[in-house]
Amino acid sequence: AQSVSQHNHHVILSEAASLELGCNYSYGGTVNLFWYVQYPGQHLQLLLKYFSGDPLVKGIKGFEAEFIKSKFSFNLRKPSVQWSDTAEYFCAVRSGNTGKLIFGQGTTLQVKP
Amino acid sequence: KAGVTQTPRYLIKTRGQQVTLSCSPISGHRSVSWYQQTPGQGLQFLFEYFSETQRNKGNFPGRFSGRQFSNSRSEMNVSTLELGDSALYLCASSFGTGGNNQPQHFGDGTRLSIL
Repeated sequence: AQSVSQHNHHVILSEAASLELGCNYSYGGTVNLFWYVQYPGQHLQLLLKYFSGDPLVKGIKGFEAEFIKSKFSFNLRKPSVQWSDTAEYFCAVRSGNTGKLIFGQGTTLQVKP
Repeated sequence: KAGVTQTPRYLIKTRGQQVTLSCSPISGHRSVSWYQQTPGQGLQFLFEYFSETQRNKGNFPGRFSGRQFSNSRSEMNVSTLELGDSALYLCASSFGTGGNNQPQHFGDGTRLSIL
């Protein structure tokens, strides 16, 4: 069965620190990859997506992610976090021609001012 | 453009009752998917509708059902409610199905509490 694993459940950083959140998936075919963010009290928002092409994708708010096919990974990065980045981050995979997203368990990021 | 709209935002029910949740997708979007979010299980896929047809279904019991109307609005129904059905139910819409490389956009969700 397809699955998505996020390595860190809770991350605490100070402002200006660099961020990397790990995401691995198990599926051998063609996949679409996503990172969503859920700020406190808000709905899930799309941070970035990978469908094909350049494996390094840039999203909103300075986030980027790199798709490494050989490692089945899609890690999220940001060079310098801000207090406003405090939120829960979800990695998701969609396979084939379906609309079904499989989510990781989420990573809660807390940024200390 | 208005986002995905879910109603109601909050709902309290008792065990054994049934409930219907509503989702209006972004204008022009024809695909609607539903997810259940709980602290223990995270985000789990319920089902996907496209052009009034269910295209995919997750691993939920038959008490969970849905439908989509000709205007792409969707409803989800849960019958014989159980305590474990307490969750945030999220609706997401996209222009087409997964094959056309369009991301899903999520609504604020309906918070269902079962007493």
